[in-house]
Amino acid sequence: QVQLQESGPGLVKPSQTLSLTCIVSGGSINSGDYYWTWIRQHPGKGLEWVGYIHYSGSTYYNPSLKSRLDLSVDTSKNRFSLKVTSVTGADTAVYFCARAQIIERAFDIWGQGTSVIVSS
Amino acid sequence: DIQMTQSPSSLSASVGDRVTITCRASQSIGSFLNWYQQKPGKAPKFLIYAASTLQSGVPSRFTGSESGTDFTLTITSVQPEDVATYYCHQSYSNPHTFGQGTKLEI
Repeated sequence: QVQLQESGPGLVKPSQTLSLTCIVSGGSINSGDYYWTWIRQHPGKGLEWVGYIHYSGSTYYNPSLKSRLDLSVDTSKNRFSLKVTSVTGADTAVYFCARAQIIERAFDIWGQGTSVIVSS
Repeated sequence: DIQMTQSPSSLSASVGDRVTITCRASQSIGSFLNWYQQKPGKAPKFLIYAASTLQSGVPSRFTGSESGTDFTLTITSVQPEDVATYYCHQSYSNPHTFGQGTKLEI
């Protein structure tokens, strides 16, 4: 059974880079059948799609973040990562990693989420 | 971006009630509409994809339907464990977008 687990610092200073990793267990990230996804949820708010990456390296970003966003995949370690540069308080959120089916692109498996606070 | 307008924003029901949540897309999205259930402090749980296909393991009291750009999630007999916020999600085009959520209380 595939499971996802986010990791990374819970506190980031303004203007710095937010870096998170999602470890995939119970299955291979090399499957061509999925996109590996980041979604965030601002405190008390709804869900926002950040972007996703295919194991081949193809990336799809939310235009609202595109200039600050970098997604990468490490097939040797079965994990994928997110970097958001020049963070502000608006990047404070719970960040979820998730798996998206390549055809329907629905998010069928989610990590538990990790809270990131941007504050000095 | 495709806007997803979800209603109501909240509702209160009694155990055994039939509950309906609606999501309207700002343009055609085919059947690329998915539903999730999120309980407080937890990750969303995948319920329905392709507008009406129930994810494996999800109770059959959850059903989805579509009519043009209008999509509906119905819980035929609400149970106490259904207390949660429900989100629709369009996966037709990037950027993916979600409805604002519907908070269900019992």
